[in-house]
Amino acid sequence: SQQGEEDPQALSIQEGENATMNCSYKTSINNLQWYRQNSGRGLVHLILIRSNEREKHSGRLRVTLDTSKKSSSLLITASRAADTASYFCATDAMGAQKLVFGQGTRLTINP
Amino acid sequence: NAGVMQNPRHLVRRRGQEARLRCSPMKGHSHVYWYRQLPEEGLKFMVYLQKENIIDESGMPKERFSAEFPKEGPSILRIQQVVRGDSAAYFCASSRTDDIQYFGAGTRLSVL
Repeated sequence: SQQGEEDPQALSIQEGENATMNCSYKTSINNLQWYRQNSGRGLVHLILIRSNEREKHSGRLRVTLDTSKKSSSLLITASRAADTASYFCATDAMGAQKLVFGQGTRLTINP
Repeated sequence: NAGVMQNPRHLVRRRGQEARLRCSPMKGHSHVYWYRQLPEEGLKFMVYLQKENIIDESGMPKERFSAEFPKEGPSILRIQQVVRGDSAAYFCASSRTDDIQYFGAGTRLSVL
């Protein structure tokens, strides 16, 4: 079955450094989305990248997509304490509306 | 434009009772999705509905769980005869079409 997997499971860096998280999936997709979840809260949509796109930027976020390797990366530049959260990638199978989430990367930004 | 509204935010039930979770989608959104999240895990798809229709219920347990999205009113996720294993956070999302899904704050169900 299709499954997204994030890597690493946990990441701890100093404020101001860049954070990179990776996501792999198994089947063909229409698009891939990244979400952020603060502890005990709902999910906030960060960015959507379509299968025909290779790179997308939004503020301090940069997402890449490699459909040949079935992988994506999320880069957060100049990290801030407020970026501390869990980050999930979610994919949709072609022809299906449901999202398949990975286990998430728990990012901690140390002041 | 209010976001996806879920209520209650927290729900405590004893084993054997019924749990009813409500979700009002964003204005203009006719697609509703329910997901379940266990502690320290990602979200797992349960069901996808459009007005008055269940489109995909491949993630729903075969028994005790049901969902509806009536013509008027919120979407309801209903869990009958709850067991401890049903304790989780239940998230609703809505979308306009097959695009970005916007999530509510979730309902945290605790079964005693």
